[in-house]
Amino acid sequence: TQLLEQSPQFLSIQEGENLTVYCNSSSVFSSLQWYRQEPGEGPVLLVTVVTGGEVKKLKRLTFQFGDARKDSSLHITAAQPGDTGLYLCAGEDQGGKLIFGQGTELSVKP
Amino acid sequence: EPEVTQTPSHQVTQMGQEVILRCVPISNHLYFYWYRQILGQKVEFLVSFYNNEISEKSEIFDDQFSVERPDGSNFTLKIRSTKLEDSAMYFCASRFGNEKLFFGSGTQLSVL
Repeated sequence: TQLLEQSPQFLSIQEGENLTVYCNSSSVFSSLQWYRQEPGEGPVLLVTVVTGGEVKKLKRLTFQFGDARKDSSLHITAAQPGDTGLYLCAGEDQGGKLIFGQGTELSVKP
Repeated sequence: EPEVTQTPSHQVTQMGQEVILRCVPISNHLYFYWYRQILGQKVEFLVSFYNNEISEKSEIFDDQFSVERPDGSNFTLKIRSTKLEDSAMYFCASRFGNEKLFFGSGTQLSVL
């Protein structure tokens, strides 16, 4: 069974601080996707990383896929209150289904 | 941006009753999925559907669950005899090929 361990589960920081969220697995994934989920809504895709070692930037968010395609990280620089929310990582297996991590509940205080 | 539509947004039912959760995927999409999220837990895969048949299903998707694409636009999830532990947020998702997966806003199912 493929598992994706996401950490930390909860993160409370001050505006302007940097943070990193990690997703780790013993399995290799075809791709690793990061989602943001607002209360009462479905997950919304932020980015997909496909190639081992790949780095993608989305404004202040930097996503990295591990060389072995088993782990990924999300780094936010100078966090803002608008970044508050639930961040989910999800690995895509060969069949196309997603295996989700537990999620990281981020709170950025002004 | 196109969106996946789910109805109802909330469904309350008695244990043992049948429920049908409805989804309208994005019109040109070919791959359809149901996921669920029990409160405080991970989003879990239930089933994938392509070319009018189930491609893959999880252990959760037992004989009480079924999916149907009755008319080329709707994609439904039926739970034949609901149990308390079926209470969860159910998400429908669709995609065209190997592209972005779009999720609906979910149906919150409460089994009493």
